[in-house]
Amino acid sequence: AQSVTQLDSHVSVSEGTPVLLRCNYSSSYSPSLFWYVQHPNKGLQLLLKYTSAATLVKGINGFEAEFKKSETSFHLTKPSAHMSDAAEYFCAGGTSYGKLTFGQGTILTVHP
Amino acid sequence: DTEVTQTPKHLVMGMTNKKSLKCEQHMGHRAMYWYKQKAKKPPELMFVYSYEKLSINESVPSRFSPECPNSSLLNLHLHALQPEDSALYLCASSHPGQGIDEQYFGPGTRLTVT
Repeated sequence: AQSVTQLDSHVSVSEGTPVLLRCNYSSSYSPSLFWYVQHPNKGLQLLLKYTSAATLVKGINGFEAEFKKSETSFHLTKPSAHMSDAAEYFCAGGTSYGKLTFGQGTILTVHP
Repeated sequence: DTEVTQTPKHLVMGMTNKKSLKCEQHMGHRAMYWYKQKAKKPPELMFVYSYEKLSINESVPSRFSPECPNSSLLNLHLHALQPEDSALYLCASSHPGQGIDEQYFGPGTRLTVT
């Protein structure tokens, strides 16, 4: 069975410093992986997706993620945090019958 | 247009009421989903419709009744809910098919059961 683990429930950074949100997956087959962001009382917005075309995936708002099969990881990064990046981030894995398996989420706090 | 709309934004209902949540998309997607999200938790899948047919029901209680009248609309009919059903209800859509396509989410309906 596929599972997704987000290694940090909370991450706190200062504005202008790098962001790293960690996600590991377990799967017996090549996965499709996604990062979503959710601002308070809002729906989920897709940041980026990995579907085996390239291991380094660029998304919206300056985010990117690198798929590392040897480490079963799909960490999300951004070189410089902005106050508007403060939100909850979900890593998710997809199955061929349409079901997404979500990690537990990481709350990102950005300090001025 | 990558927008999924949901109405109403907020809903307060008593345990004896009947109400419906509505979801609409015009992206030509043929898979639509209902999720339930409790505070500080990830979304939990409830139902999946593929080509207007129910393909996945995640053992959801019968007081939740989904309906897909056409390829653009998805409803969730609510009856005799319990206070623990209070949550954010999210709708999503995607292309069903050979690959695994991303799901696009609506803003959600915040449901409070009193």
